[in-house]
Amino acid sequence: RKEVEQDPGPFNVPEGATVAFNCTYSNSASQSFFWYRQDCRKEPKLLMSVYSSGNEDGRFTAQLNRASQYISLLIRDSKLSDSATYLCVVNNTGGFKTIFGAGTRLFVKA
Amino acid sequence: NAGVTQTPKFQVLKTGQSMTLQCAQDMNHNSMYWYRQDPGMGLRLIYYSASEGTTDKGEVPNGYNVSRLNKREFSLRLESAAPSQTSVYFCASSDGRGETQYFGPGTRLLVL
Repeated sequence: RKEVEQDPGPFNVPEGATVAFNCTYSNSASQSFFWYRQDCRKEPKLLMSVYSSGNEDGRFTAQLNRASQYISLLIRDSKLSDSATYLCVVNNTGGFKTIFGAGTRLFVKA
Repeated sequence: NAGVTQTPKFQVLKTGQSMTLQCAQDMNHNSMYWYRQDPGMGLRLIYYSASEGTTDKGEVPNGYNVSRLNKREFSLRLESAAPSQTSVYFCASSDGRGETQYFGPGTRLLVL
């Protein structure tokens, strides 16, 4: 079983749609959680950190469920520019070994 | 600020050749990392350097060596390239453990 698992997609949605991504992790001792965004042939960039209480940044909402060991990302009012791959990222036990999910590909169409 | 820079951007090697990938950051970060990214597998950690003067193995260190030259620079060396090392290599840096990582633009390596 992979340490961090994501639905690879692709998710194809129209502009304005709401789309949700889920991610599960296997190590219950994991301490830090992030969503990164990666555009085609570019480097990953931080989208947002994920906090236990849940957090929101504009159209993006991230949530963490420690009991079920999953993380979610909700994108509201999708834009064409949201088309990218979204990586779920988990840092285990506060160390330096960060585990990246394989990513979920999103296509937003006009 | 340039952030994290990597050279070269592209490289083609023949099996058995050696090369060094260079990485530098200007954010005064303590920690630096080397990852490889292959289709469907996500990024996998090759080596990391928690701080200047230290290096440690990650998930897939075989066939690679690293040098933390100073606080800014962290190089990755392939001593004898193999086709299985064809990949996209990313360097990253962070303030410390568990912190946000900032990535360079990547090096696309093809080993024939």
